[in-house]
Amino acid sequence: QKEVEQNSGPLSVPEGAIASLNCTYSDRGSQSFFWYRQYSGKSPELIMSIYSNGDKEDGRFTAQLNKASQYVSLLIRDSQPSDSATYLCAASKAAGNKLTFGGGTRVLVKP
Amino acid sequence: DGGITQSPKYLFRKEGQNVTLSCEQNLNHDAMYWYRQDPGQGLRLIYYSQIVNDFQKGDIAEGYSVSREKKESFPLTVTSAQKNPTAFYLCASSSRVTSSTDTQYFGPGTRLTVL
Repeated sequence: QKEVEQNSGPLSVPEGAIASLNCTYSDRGSQSFFWYRQYSGKSPELIMSIYSNGDKEDGRFTAQLNKASQYVSLLIRDSQPSDSATYLCAASKAAGNKLTFGGGTRVLVKP
Repeated sequence: DGGITQSPKYLFRKEGQNVTLSCEQNLNHDAMYWYRQDPGQGLRLIYYSQIVNDFQKGDIAEGYSVSREKKESFPLTVTSAQKNPTAFYLCASSSRVTSSTDTQYFGPGTRLTVL
């Protein structure tokens, strides 16, 4: 079992709709969670970080964390073609700030 | 203009050659990291360094070596012992060493191809 798992997709979403991405993790010692967006051929860029149970909103993005169920999700509202990318979920433990990445979910937003 | 730079952008290696990938940051970050990404996959940690003159192996360190002689520089050498080095290599840095909440920022990457 991988430590951080994501559905590889592609997740096809009409323009203007909500894209919902899920991520599960196996290590209960994981404390912090990060969502990165990666365009093809480019490096990852941070979208959201979340450390506490519940929701965290930033613009069109909402991250949700449920430590009891060991999952993290990312919602993208009003999806735009420019949101088409691979979204990477990452987890870190309490010390050392080592990140463990999932395989990524590819999102395609169709006009 | 602060950030992380990696060079070269593209690198071609012949069988049996060692090659060195450069990573420099001017963010005054303490921690630096090297990741490898294979097509369609996530990132895997090769090495990381939390302080000058010290570094630790990540999950896939075999066939790689690093040095951290200066705070701003963390070069990665891909040795001939690495059997399948073709991949996208990403360098990252973060400001604090012991916090799990600190964000890692990535350089633009180096794409290495074995001929």
